Amino acid sequence: GDSVTQMEGPVTLSEEAFLTINCTYTATGYPSLFWYVQYPGEGLQLLLKATKADDKGSNKGFEATYRKETTSFHLEKGSVQVSDSAVYFCALWMLKAAGNKLTFGGGTRVLVKP
Amino acid sequence: DVKVTQSSRYLVKRTGEKVFLECVQDMDHENMFWYRQDPGLGLRLIYFSYDVKMKEKGDIPEGYSVSREKKERFSLILESASTNQTSMYLCASSFRTSGGAAETQYFGPGTRLLVL
Repeated sequence: GDSVTQMEGPVTLSEEAFLTINCTYTATGYPSLFWYVQYPGEGLQLLLKATKADDKGSNKGFEATYRKETTSFHLEKGSVQVSDSAVYFCALWMLKAAGNKLTFGGGTRVLVKP
Repeated sequence: DVKVTQSSRYLVKRTGEKVFLECVQDMDHENMFWYRQDPGLGLRLIYFSYDVKMKEKGDIPEGYSVSREKKERFSLILESASTNQTSMYLCASSFRTSGGAAETQYFGPGTRLLVL
């Protein structure tokens, strides 16, 4: 079945550091890919998405490129802030006869220290 | 802005109690979902619904049921709560797209349930 694997956290880094969170997927077909973010005490919010190979999603300084050849969708930010401390989830969406649904990775907690 | 609300942020129940978690969305979305979130396991789909009175089992439906009597409301029911149902429960909704376009889900703030 479809699955998403992302690096385990926590990831701890200093303000203005470069952030990368790896995400790889397994799917039969051509999924759409998402990054969601969950700030402390809140639900998930869509951060960015890409719907086809080589698409780049971007938002709030974060970027991720849909790489079909490596089945990856790594999240990057060039200079993180304390306010980026959150849990980040990679997810894939597939159109299926049995129901269209998101499949999530396990989440990566990021802690940015001043 | 899309708004998905959940009836409680925190809930404490006893083993064997019947528990109702309510979710309401205000964007006329056709699709609604219930997930549970546990550390290291990400989000796991319990049930989803594509329309009023419709329901489909997700990946972990055992011990849960759902109800969708109105388009904007999707209820999750724990018929007899057990300690292994202690978790964070998240509701989400989305538009039904056409032509295979990806459906973006919008999430509520979550209900943290503790079963004693």
